[in-house]
Amino acid sequence: SQQGEEDPQALSIQEGENATMNCSYKTSINNLQWYRQNSGRGLVHLILIRSNEREKHSGRLRVTLDTSKKSSSLLITASRAADTASYFCATDFNSGNTPLVFGKGTRLSVIA
Amino acid sequence: NAGVMQNPRHLVRRRGQEARLRCSPVKGHSHVYWYRQLPEEGLKFMVYLQKENIIDESGMPKERFSAEFPKEGPSILRIQQVVRGDSAAYFCASSPRIATNEKLFFGSGTQLSVL
Repeated sequence: SQQGEEDPQALSIQEGENATMNCSYKTSINNLQWYRQNSGRGLVHLILIRSNEREKHSGRLRVTLDTSKKSSSLLITASRAADTASYFCATDFNSGNTPLVFGKGTRLSVIA
Repeated sequence: NAGVMQNPRHLVRRRGQEARLRCSPVKGHSHVYWYRQLPEEGLKFMVYLQKENIIDESGMPKERFSAEFPKEGPSILRIQQVVRGDSAAYFCASSPRIATNEKLFFGSGTQLSVL
């Protein structure tokens, strides 16, 4: 299966700390995306990193991609209680009209 | 500028009934995707549609499930003769072009409960 696997499954940190989540996948990709889901809500796109990029920043978010290891990481710096959510990576197959495939997510709890 | 609209937000059905879930994509988006999510799980792809066409239905059960995205109106995910195992959150997403290199816009989902 192409499905990405996030690690850890759950993460609990104090407000102000950094949170790092990892994603591994199995086959070649065009790009990798990270999404966030608040409890009971739909997913919200955070950031897209292309296969020829190694690092990307957006505000307090930093994403890295290592295609040789087929892995990506999402770093949230100076976390806030409002960052509490589930975070998913999503990958596409490197061919054809295939949709995004999501992992099971990392549940992040930021304690104030 | 409305995002993806799904309705109903919650749907309760008894075993054997039919469930119809509706999704109106972002205006101007012609690609619609349906995903299913069980508690504490990720999203499982079900079907990908373009206006009037099913592009990929590899994630959809062969029986009882069908989807359409007509030229006019919302996309519909239809589940016939529902069973308890169909209870889940169903999310619809849309994009202006194929999802490769595009971000998806998600609706808030329909929570289906089968009694």
